[in-house]
Amino acid sequence: KAGVTQTPRYLIKTRGQQVTLSCSPISGHRSVSWYQQTPGQGLQFLFEYFSETQRNKGNFPGRFSGRQFSNSRSEMNVSTLELGDSALYLCASRGAGLANYGYTFGSGTRLTVV
Amino acid sequence: QKEVEQDPGPLSVPEGAIVSLNCTYSNSAFQYFMWYRQYSRKGPELLMYTYSSGNKEDGRFTAQVDKSSKYISLFIRDSQPSDSATYLCAIPYSGGGADGLTFGKGTHLIIQP
Repeated sequence: KAGVTQTPRYLIKTRGQQVTLSCSPISGHRSVSWYQQTPGQGLQFLFEYFSETQRNKGNFPGRFSGRQFSNSRSEMNVSTLELGDSALYLCASRGAGLANYGYTFGSGTRLTVV
Repeated sequence: QKEVEQDPGPLSVPEGAIVSLNCTYSNSAFQYFMWYRQYSRKGPELLMYTYSSGNKEDGRFTAQVDKSSKYISLFIRDSQPSDSATYLCAIPYSGGGADGLTFGKGTHLIIQP
């Protein structure tokens, strides 16, 4: 079955702009989470959605937001971009039940802010 | 103190060696523990997950959890050049619920042919 799909793969934006990243989870998965990966900080949790509701949020400013649609697809938005927002943004989806604690990750969107 | 600490390496070993990768964590309420492998320019992929203390084996990989010392380990036997990657330990925030993962910074592993 198809994996987690993230679009676009690469993005270059200018400081002050906003950006929207998209994630399509594995079919049947209702949990979607987002992460930021940088060389200095590693993988940091942004937020998690389940059935269109935000379940948890990491320690990021309000410029970072997300949403989930009824088909479980998710988007994250970053407004007023800063140079420090340059990172690999990863989306992961998870099935339900105790046997499905493993999150499956997409290949990420590489965002460069100039 | 970060919730999960991991030595970033790099760790370089010859082919065939036994590799030991380790993480410590701070929250004694954590119950599930995962190891992910990430190749360059790819997303992390789940290698193994364990519940509570003890060992779990899968082929050349063994995951070990010691809850008394809040220490988790991943052992790789008969290491291969294809094992060269970054290895990340990860723990669910809510003890297993759908609330996201906290990661160690990852250890960059290099297996020399």
